[in-house]
Amino acid sequence: AQKVTQAQTEISVVEKEDVTLDCVYETRDTTYYLFWYKQPPSGELVFLIRRNSFDEQNEISGRYSWNFQKSTSSFNFTITASQVVDSAVYFCALSEGGGTASKLTFGTGTRLQVTL
Amino acid sequence: DSGVTQTPKHLITATGQRVTLRCSPRSGDLSVYWYQQSLDQGLQFLIQYYNGEERAKGNILERFSAQQFPDLHSELNLSSLELGDSALYFCASSVGTIGSGEQFFGPGTRLTVL
Repeated sequence: AQKVTQAQTEISVVEKEDVTLDCVYETRDTTYYLFWYKQPPSGELVFLIRRNSFDEQNEISGRYSWNFQKSTSSFNFTITASQVVDSAVYFCALSEGGGTASKLTFGTGTRLQVTL
Repeated sequence: DSGVTQTPKHLITATGQRVTLRCSPRSGDLSVYWYQQSLDQGLQFLIQYYNGEERAKGNILERFSAQQFPDLHSELNLSSLELGDSALYFCASSVGTIGSGEQFFGPGTRLTVL
């Protein structure tokens, strides 16, 4: 069975600090996909990134970067120079590929609070 | 705006009642997923439909049922409601069924059972 663990329940930082959100996953599949979603206080779930299990290249998008390491089954998310608007709950999720169903298994989320 | 619409936005009802939540996927998406977000269970997958057919089932209670119609919109029916069914119910859609496709989420329906 697949599982996603986000050990950090809540993180508080001051604006402009860098912050890393941890995600560890478990799966028996060799083909799988990892995602990060953001849930701002308004409640909607916003897709941030998708990574497949064959692509361990790190990715940077503006202030966001992702570090995928198969050896440690981790897919960590770093926000550089955090801003108050980054305050949200961030979810890591896993989907096993190759089948005909693609449910997402979510972690419990990390609440990020960015203050001035 | 993800392109996925859900109605109603809020729903308040009493225990024992039945409600229907509605979802319209993004244009072109054939898969619809339902998720429940509650404080104690977190975000949990309930059920997936692809082009009208059920494709996967998660921790969906027998009191809950869903369907996807020919126009691809989906409805989630919750019956014999209990206090513990109070949650945020999300619908998501994707183009296909394989795991590589990102799922785009609707704004959710907040259900409160009193």
